[in-house]
Parts: sequence; C-alpha cells; structure tokens
Amino acid sequence: SQKIEQNSEALNIQEGKTATLTCNYTNYSPAYLQWYRQDPGRGPVFLLLIRENEKEKRKERLKVTFDTTLKQSLFHITASQPADSATYLCALDPLKAGFQKLVFGTGTRLLVSP
Amino acid sequence: KAGVTQTPRYLIKTRGQQVTLSCSPISGHRSVSWYQQTPGQGLQFLFEYFSETQRNKGNFPGRFSGRQFSNSRSEMNVSTLELGDSALYLCASSFTGSAMAEAFFGQGTRLTVV
Repeated sequence: SQKIEQNSEALNIQEGKTATLTCNYTNYSPAYLQWYRQDPGRGPVFLLLIRENEKEKRKERLKVTFDTTLKQSLFHITASQPADSATYLCALDPLKAGFQKLVFGTGTRLLVSP
Repeated sequence: KAGVTQTPRYLIKTRGQQVTLSCSPISGHRSVSWYQQTPGQGLQFLFEYFSETQRNKGNFPGRFSGRQFSNSRSEMNVSTLELGDSALYLCASSFTGSAMAEAFFGQGTRLTVV
C-alpha cells in the first residue's frame, strides 16, 4: 500500500544544534516533494519544494535532500532556535498529473529547548 | 496581501445535520483545495477546484461536496454529519493549482460533531 512515514515521536534538541527530520515514502514516484511547518491551531506554511531531479535544496537555515532510490527526504534545520519548535510535514504529489493533490505525512513535532 | 480566509473558525453541529464551510483564496489565485486534518489520519485531500471546475477528488464519501464560484471563493458541504467528521478542515489556494505551486493554507475551520 502507499504511505508516507514521518517519525511520530517528537524530536527534542538543544538550541544551536542541527535538527534532522525524515520522510520516507512507499509505492509512490513523486515528481515533487514539499515540506511545510504547522503551528498549533494554524494551517501549514510552505517551506521548501524539491524536484525529483534535484538532490538538495537550501533556503537560509533549511536544507532538504531527496533520494528517489531510497524513497526518502531529509529536512535539516541548522543552528536551531526555540522559535523553530513546530510540527513539520512532508507532502508529495502522487499523480504526476500536474494538478495539486498533495499527500501528507502525519508530521514530526520538533521541540527546541534553550 | 490578505491571506486565505476561512469561515467560520469554529463550529459545533449535531449528528445528522449538514454544514457549509467557506474559503476565500488569496486574490488572483484560481485553485482552491480542501483537506481534512485529524490526529489519527493527518491531512487528507478532499478535492481541488480550478476556475469553478472540480479537477481532482480524494477518497471521501459523497456526503462531502464542494463548489467554487466565479470569484474563486469556495465552499464545502458535509451532509448527514457523523461523529467521525469532527476535524480541522483546511483550504489552500494557489495561483495555478500546479503540483509545484506553493499552497497557501488558511487557519482552518474546527468542526465538532456531537
């Protein structure tokens, strides 16, 4: 069956360290993979999109990798800050049809302590 | 520019009733997608509208329906409510609805069915 897996356990790290979140998928061949941040009581906020032919994408302190062989994406936050504490969701486009029909993972909660 | 606006923010309904939720996309955006978010299932795609046409639909029963108006505003309707319909309903807008387009989410409507 098709599924997207993210660590269901919260990730606790200290301020200044690098947080690494994992997104594994099964039985999909996505053209794109996106990462979102969601704070309690709010809708997700887009962070980064990476294409299947891109190995790595960076934006300020964020870095995303995409390994289509391993069917895995890693999301890194360097020099993490307490303000980075949130739930992070990965999402992919399962159809390659060009239309937006994102399939989301259940998210990983990140807690950055001072 | 104004973000995606969803109304109402909170709703309490009784089993068997029906409900209509509203979503006003960012000005100029023609694509509106709807998602249901629950703690157990995460974010699940309901449907996507572009220029008043439903282009894509998720695996939800026919009790869930939607429409989009000429000004791109969208509504979703749930008839014969069940307890399991209690969830956060999120809409997202994008300019083209392409899978590679950034999706902008609203804050959601929290529906509680009692």
